[in-house]
Amino acid sequence: GENVEQHPSTLSVQEGDSAVIKCTYSDSASNYFPWYKQELGKRPQLIIDIRSNVGEKKDQRIAVTLNKTAKHFSLHITETQPEDSAVYFCAASKRGNNDMRFGAGTRLTVKP
Amino acid sequence: GAVVSQHPSWVICKSGTSVKIECRSLDFQATTMFWYRQFPKQSLMLMATSNEGSKATYEQGVEKDKFLINHASLTLSTLTVTSAHPEDSSFYICSAEQGARYGYTFGSGTRLTVV
Repeated sequence: GENVEQHPSTLSVQEGDSAVIKCTYSDSASNYFPWYKQELGKRPQLIIDIRSNVGEKKDQRIAVTLNKTAKHFSLHITETQPEDSAVYFCAASKRGNNDMRFGAGTRLTVKP
Repeated sequence: GAVVSQHPSWVICKSGTSVKIECRSLDFQATTMFWYRQFPKQSLMLMATSNEGSKATYEQGVEKDKFLINHASLTLSTLTVTSAHPEDSSFYICSAEQGARYGYTFGSGTRLTVV
């Protein structure tokens, strides 16, 4: 089955700096890669996703890149703000297969 | 966008009792819902896939007789933790997918504490 690894487990940056979180996956058939933001005690919220037919996707300060050959994808947050502080999870699945696997999570802290 | 409602948001129960958690898709029909478990500071672990009108599919290591799942309609799935023990204390979250456009939407989660 799919195995998703996520790094780093914790990340601390200064406000205004960029943050990068990386994930690798094992199943080459996976074709859908969402990123979720989870604040303490709350539900995960989808912040951005990318499908395997695209190499990069951007939404304001958030971008995701995908390297299918290397089987890794990354989340990039630019101009970080204190409200970006949360736990971020990457995930991978095969659309239509209903089998999403999550990375271990990255606790991002943005210091004002 | 899709909205998934989950109740209760928290529950405290005594060891040996059973607890039912409900997950409802409010504005769409979900033939499939997913149940996850999350321990403190850990990732979401898929427990089972709930299929409307048929038996749930459980992940390896998840006891189907302990975690009973019922998907009685296209908008409701329930997870019942039977004979709860303190080690069952955790954050349980459901999710559903309205369609490819929206991805997976999560319920608000249920924090279960077994004393």
